Amino acid sequence: LAKTTQPISMDSYEGQEVNITCSHNNIATNDYITWYQQFPSQGPRFIIQGYKTKVTNEVASLFIPADRKSSTLSLPRVSLSDTAVYYCLVGDRGTGGFKTIFGAGTRLFVKA
Amino acid sequence: EAQVTQNPRYLITVTGKKLTVTCSQNMNHEYMSWYRQDPGLGLRQIYYSMNVEVTDKGDVPEGYKVSRKEKRNFPLILESPSPNQTSLYFCASSLYTGRSDGYTFGSGTRLTVV
Repeated sequence: LAKTTQPISMDSYEGQEVNITCSHNNIATNDYITWYQQFPSQGPRFIIQGYKTKVTNEVASLFIPADRKSSTLSLPRVSLSDTAVYYCLVGDRGTGGFKTIFGAGTRLFVKA
Repeated sequence: EAQVTQNPRYLITVTGKKLTVTCSQNMNHEYMSWYRQDPGLGLRQIYYSMNVEVTDKGDVPEGYKVSRKEKRNFPLILESPSPNQTSLYFCASSLYTGRSDGYTFGSGTRLTVV
């Protein structure tokens, strides 16, 4: 059964780089790792996705080691508007269907 | 505009009174899903559907029902709501079944059962 584990909360200052790590020990061989961002009273929105090594887009980078049992979301030079909850998401095909496992998320608070 | 529409946004009801939360998407997505969000527990999947007439349980299905008669609609039914179902509910859809990217979420339904 797939499960994700993340730190409950993190604090940072504007302009710093923030790294949030998620462990997902039972990830399936062909599943991707995806990260979402959620602001209060809104649904989560997609940030970045990867399968292995490193992926970078205009807002974040994602580092995935060779064993794929963890992943690290990197937010460069955070601003106050990056204060949000961040979720890593994996799939679970154990039942023959496709569950999505979000976990409890990491609450990032960016201070001025 | 591509979107997932949930209704209502807010709902207060009494224990035992059947209710339905509607969810509709206009993107021709195959995969649809319902989640509940509670403080400290993140998002937990209630039910999902991989296509029309194909639904399956998520991690917390007790007390809920769903149906997928049309591709665009995926209503969540609480036959006899109880106070422990007070929560924030999100519907989501994805073009692909079997992948964790590309989810579009609705704006949420805050349900209170008294």
